[in-house]
Amino acid sequence: EPEVTQTPSHQVTQMGQEVILRCVPISNHLYFYWYRQILGQKVEFLVSFYNNEISEKSEIFDDQFSVERPDGSNFTLKIRSTKLEDSAMYFCASSEKGYSNQPQHFGDGTRLSIL
Amino acid sequence: KNQVEQSPQSLIILEGKNCTLQCNYTVSPFSNLRWYKQDTGRGPVSLTIMTFSENTKSNGRYTATLDADTKQSSLHITASQLSDSASYICVVSASPTGKSTFGDGTTLTVKP
Repeated sequence: EPEVTQTPSHQVTQMGQEVILRCVPISNHLYFYWYRQILGQKVEFLVSFYNNEISEKSEIFDDQFSVERPDGSNFTLKIRSTKLEDSAMYFCASSEKGYSNQPQHFGDGTRLSIL
Repeated sequence: KNQVEQSPQSLIILEGKNCTLQCNYTVSPFSNLRWYKQDTGRGPVSLTIMTFSENTKSNGRYTATLDADTKQSSLHITASQLSDSASYICVVSASPTGKSTFGDGTTLTVKP
């Protein structure tokens, strides 16, 4: 069964540095998402992406964050000038269509640790 | 403020028994309600999705219900198995492709 893959599984970065988290969505999916989960807290929606544009974003997704689909397979989340509070698990997800009844398929996440 | 509250926080049951997990929400507008299973160290896996007009949805031993009037949902698991041990998360979305509000999850432990 096709799956969403995320790399790396764990990223350690110094505060103030930029980090890029990578995701390969399921090949025929058109909608892409990023979520984060701070340790011990609930999952939070960051952004959705379709047709090379941001569809929706949350209040968390400020100018520090950006997303890109640099080629036909990868979907990336860039965090500029990382802060300690950016430490979290970041999940990528994709769905085939943008309808309410479409399931989103999640990757297993990238654990980001900011030192 | 959009909120999703789940209960109980944790639950321990014996293998073969049934259980029901609860979800109350105050998300508005409403697009859909999803139940996910999340194993430790893994990403969430979709179990059921319900839109406004649906009041029940089954996926094998999992049956979800939705009462859009009272803004409540439940997830019923029948004939539990050891592999059902996981966190079950209720997610309510205000639109089809974004602005989802997640609950804290219910941690289910199934014991032999």
